[in-house]
Amino acid sequence: GAVVSQHPSWVICKSGTSVKIECRSLDFQATTMFWYRQFPKQSLMLMATSNEGSKATYEQGVEKDKFLINHASLTLSTLTVTSAHPEDSSFYICSPIAGVDETQYFGPGTRLLVL
Amino acid sequence: QKEVEQNSGPLSVPEGAIASLNCTYSDRGSQSFFWYRQYSGKSPELIMSIYSNGDKEDGRFTAQLNKASQYVSLLIRDSQPSDSATYLCAVSLGGYSSASKIIFGSGTRLSIRP
Repeated sequence: GAVVSQHPSWVICKSGTSVKIECRSLDFQATTMFWYRQFPKQSLMLMATSNEGSKATYEQGVEKDKFLINHASLTLSTLTVTSAHPEDSSFYICSPIAGVDETQYFGPGTRLLVL
Repeated sequence: QKEVEQNSGPLSVPEGAIASLNCTYSDRGSQSFFWYRQYSGKSPELIMSIYSNGDKEDGRFTAQLNKASQYVSLLIRDSQPSDSATYLCAVSLGGYSSASKIIFGSGTRLSIRP
């Protein structure tokens, strides 16, 4: 089956620093990547959608200059949280779409804690 | 206004019984419907997908879709303690062959008591 990895699985950082989260599709090519975040006891909220080689499309209320998304290849997408603040503490999950059958998969998630 | 509504629960069901999870959605143009299971601290995993009205069965799971009522449900037969998790209903405007963004409900917490 499809394997999706995220790195790091968890990160603690100081307020004001930037954090990069990597999402890799290990055995398939992801033409589309969704990035979600989930606050405790809440559902997944879509942050942005990106297609390989194109600029990401952000959902309403998500700051594109704060959450930088790069989808440079069909197997790697990154989300950088710039100048992180405590309210950015959340569970970030990438979700690639397999190009062949367009099945949506989910990465294992990255838990971010900003102090 | 929420696009996908679920009862947050918790829903407590005795082991071996049938657990029934319900979901309503607001966009009549929705074409794809999904149920995901999410254990605490983990990312969601797909349980069932359904695209047309009626029932779809897969092992102990049955998904039911009624587009006229904008209602989708998940039945879990012979509930096991390992079924205890949060179940997320999700809806997409895209069809089977179209990668469209999926909107998630807030989830129903299911607890199977031994």
